[in-house]
Amino acid sequence: DTGVSQNPRHKITKRGQNVTFRCDPISEHNRLYWYRQTLGQGPEFLTYFQNEAQLEKSRLLSDRFSAERPKGSFSTLEIQRTEQGDSAMYLCASSWTSGDSYEQYFGPGTRLTVT
Amino acid sequence: SQQGEEDPQALSIQEGENATMNCSYKTSINNLQWYRQNSGRGLVHLILIRSNEREKHSGRLRVTLDTSKKSSSLLITASRAADTASYFCATDEAEHGAGNMLTFGGGTRLMVKP
Repeated sequence: DTGVSQNPRHKITKRGQNVTFRCDPISEHNRLYWYRQTLGQGPEFLTYFQNEAQLEKSRLLSDRFSAERPKGSFSTLEIQRTEQGDSAMYLCASSWTSGDSYEQYFGPGTRLTVT
Repeated sequence: SQQGEEDPQALSIQEGENATMNCSYKTSINNLQWYRQNSGRGLVHLILIRSNEREKHSGRLRVTLDTSKKSSSLLITASRAADTASYFCATDEAEHGAGNMLTFGGGTRLMVKP
């Protein structure tokens, strides 16, 4: 399967702990996106990369959130000092922006529960 | 923040009937996309319509776009129980450049009864 993969699929952590999620995009895709989705809502954009460059990060929810894509392939999203309000599904997507192709392909998500 | 608002929030129909979902948005767009999400899973891209297009078809799906009213509709014809899912519209806003981010609505939860 060559779709977007995310690990772990589920994460339970205690408030105050740091967590890191990984996303492996479709291999030929140059753009990678992170979204957060809370129950009953649509996904909310957080940040995106083109290759290894993070081109938009103003939508990250606070300075506790950071993302990297060091070699332009996989990406990590880290949340420091987690709070209960961080409990959500974190979705990763990738796309190949060429011409006018703008569809994003989503992974299965990482469900975070902060206790 | 969410730009799009889907209407209705929930829809229940019988198999074989058509389902229509509407989406309204606020700002100028490059394109508008519809995604489907089965319970607890990732989103699947269904169809994209560009700002200069008015209607698009893909199999049993028909999407319309009215940029003057800032609205779109998704029609699923001859629905099946497997179409049960949440459907989201997502706008690719002109302000941010094409392909840079999507702004999703709150979704329509569709239930198709066998």
